[in-house]
Amino acid sequence: QPVLTQSSSASASLGSSVKLTCTLSSGRSTYIIAWHQQQPGKAPRYLMKLEGSGSYNKGSGVPDRFSGSSSGADRYLTISNLQSEDEADYYCETWDSNTWVFGGGTKLTVL
Amino acid sequence: QVQLQESGPGLVKPSETLSLTCTVSGYSISSGYYWGWIRQPPGKGLEWIGSIYHSGSTYYNPSLKSRVTISVDTSKNQISLKLSSVTAADTAVYYCAGKQSVTVDYWGQGTLVTVSS
Repeated sequence: QPVLTQSSSASASLGSSVKLTCTLSSGRSTYIIAWHQQQPGKAPRYLMKLEGSGSYNKGSGVPDRFSGSSSGADRYLTISNLQSEDEADYYCETWDSNTWVFGGGTKLTVL
Repeated sequence: QVQLQESGPGLVKPSETLSLTCTVSGYSISSGYYWGWIRQPPGKGLEWIGSIYHSGSTYYNPSLKSRVTISVDTSKNQISLKLSSVTAADTAVYYCAGKQSVTVDYWGQGTLVTVSS
C-alpha cells in the first residue's frame, strides 16, 4: 500500500506564504490525494482533493488562500497570506486497494 | 450538507469491547459512499481503523483486523464500530468519516474514548 511522507513541522510569518509537501511512495506518482486541516482541539476538516496533474477541487468554504499543486510524486498545499487561524496540523490522505492511508501530518506554526 | 455524529461511552474498561455509533444526516447511506472509522491517540496522528461500503462490504486495518467489526444499519442511517479486548493503547479520539470515491470528504466531530479501570 502507498506511503505518504510529510515533514513533521513547518513555520512561516503572519501574512506570508508557506508550501507544505506530501510525497507518495515509489510507483504511486499518479495517485489522487486529499489535504485535511486539523486546528487545535478540533476534528479534521477536508480542504481539497489534488490530482497528479495539479488539478484540485476545494471543499465548501475553503478560502481562496489555499491552493494545491503537484510535481511527480510530490503533492503540495500552498497557503498564502497566512492568518493566525491557519496554525494547525495538516494531513494528506490517499486510498489504495480499499485501504485508507494518512501521512504523519505537518504541524504548521504561524510566527 | 452531509453531517456525521459519533456517540458512545467515553470510558471503557480494559479487556472489554468499545462500541460506537455514527449517525449520518443529509444523506442516505444506502445510496452509496464509503464510510469509515479513524482514530487519533492523544498527541499523535490519524490511524485508519476500517471502512464499509453501503452494500456491507468491509475492509479493516490489518493491525486491528482481529478485534474490529464495522456494520451499517440503513434503517437508522448509522454506522457502528466495535473494538474488542481494548487496552490503554486504544485510548483515542474516534472519528467517523465518509467519502464518495478516493478520499475523505466528510468528518464527524469525534468522540474521546478512554480505556481505564
